[in-house]
Amino acid sequence: KAGVTQTPRYLIKTRGQQVTLSCSPISGHRSVSWYQQTPGQGLQFLFEYFSETQRNKGNFPGRFSGRQFSNSRSEMNVSTLELGDSALYLCASRSRDRTSYEQYFGPGTRLTVT
Amino acid sequence: SQKIEQNSEALNIQEGKTATLTCNYTNYSPAYLQWYRQDPGRGPVFLLLIRENEKEKRKERLKVTFDTTLKQSLFHITASQPADSATYLCALSNTGNQFYFGTGTSLTVIP
Repeated sequence: KAGVTQTPRYLIKTRGQQVTLSCSPISGHRSVSWYQQTPGQGLQFLFEYFSETQRNKGNFPGRFSGRQFSNSRSEMNVSTLELGDSALYLCASRSRDRTSYEQYFGPGTRLTVT
Repeated sequence: SQKIEQNSEALNIQEGKTATLTCNYTNYSPAYLQWYRQDPGRGPVFLLLIRENEKEKRKERLKVTFDTTLKQSLFHITASQPADSATYLCALSNTGNQFYFGTGTSLTVIP
């Protein structure tokens, strides 16, 4: 079974621009969560999508948004980029059935904002 | 808001010894606690999950304990090997759908 894939792997953007990151979950997984990882704050939950609906949301400003498509692929968008948005963005998929809580992470997208 | 602390940022241990990592939390009552391993440049990899009504869970050389009174989880790696060197993260959730992560402990196993 193929793992979680994220594109692009690396991205350099300028302050004020916007960016879209993509995540393809493991086949059969309908839940996709997004996380931001920085050296100072660690892994912080952004949001979770399940069946094309946002189910949970972390404490991030509205500049961070996402969506999920009918094939469970998910995109995350950050508008009006700030220097502090430089981070590793990770997505994780899981089946979200009642017995499974394991999250399978992708390799991440390294975003650098200059 | 919840606060999750993992013991000292870095832990060095001799090969063959047992490594013990700590995850303490406050202002939270998780029903689920997970441990992940993360290698440089890669996403975290799930290791173990323990529920609030379970005291201990084992998987091969790994053992996790969960003490809801002390608000603490201990993660043990017995007979540690250099290949166990990585950053280990604990993650907590009260629903199983939204997990809060600690900042991680970097473990180095010295040959």
